[in-house]
Amino acid sequence: ETGVTQTPRHLVMGMTNKKSLKCEQHLGHNAMYWYKQSAKKPLELMFVYNFKEQTENNSVPSRFSPECPNSSHLFLHLHTLQPEDSALYLCASTPGVWGYEQYFGPGTRLTVT
Amino acid sequence: QQQVKQSPQSLIVQKGGISIINCAYENTAFDYFPWYQQFPGKGPALLIAIRPDVSEKKEGRFTISFNKSAKQFSLHIMDSQPGDSATYFCAATAAGYALNFGKGTSLLVTP
Repeated sequence: ETGVTQTPRHLVMGMTNKKSLKCEQHLGHNAMYWYKQSAKKPLELMFVYNFKEQTENNSVPSRFSPECPNSSHLFLHLHTLQPEDSALYLCASTPGVWGYEQYFGPGTRLTVT
Repeated sequence: QQQVKQSPQSLIVQKGGISIINCAYENTAFDYFPWYQQFPGKGPALLIAIRPDVSEKKEGRFTISFNKSAKQFSLHIMDSQPGDSATYFCAATAAGYALNFGKGTSLLVTP
């Protein structure tokens, strides 16, 4: 595997389910990000991790819970989501949190029913 | 508050034509302005980027024009091809932290 990978690629979940999104980067980077991409809206930064430490939580509801066990892996734990949370969730990485070029994964298309 | 405003929302260009997408920003602390290209089913990928100390940067058929006084920058795609059909996002950042994205432009290049 190369670059940034995300699993699953598609996820359908009910409002009472608990699920997790996984991101793995194979670039040797130290900073990882979660973004939410909704139609006709700018990419929304959700969380930033630098060397496994969270440096940004962009006022994200607590039903989204990130986890970064090491610099290569990032998870987004989901529980009791709302239909408006349906979106494409993108993971990205940079060499460091002040790295300019972000490398994105292909995203997980989430549908909340 | 949206930090980067992008237009148009969608664009149709004939093959061989010039595609132009515009962005405007307010924060004068921004020091890096990238453009990302996103194909369906893929994540955004860096296409080209510019810093405010230059007014133009060209890479192949892609050119960024930057107007610091007007706080505007634009992407020009020369000799547009059907393979360029994608969504394009402009972005801006201060000191490389937390990209601020525009809403995106859906480009369709017709044969």
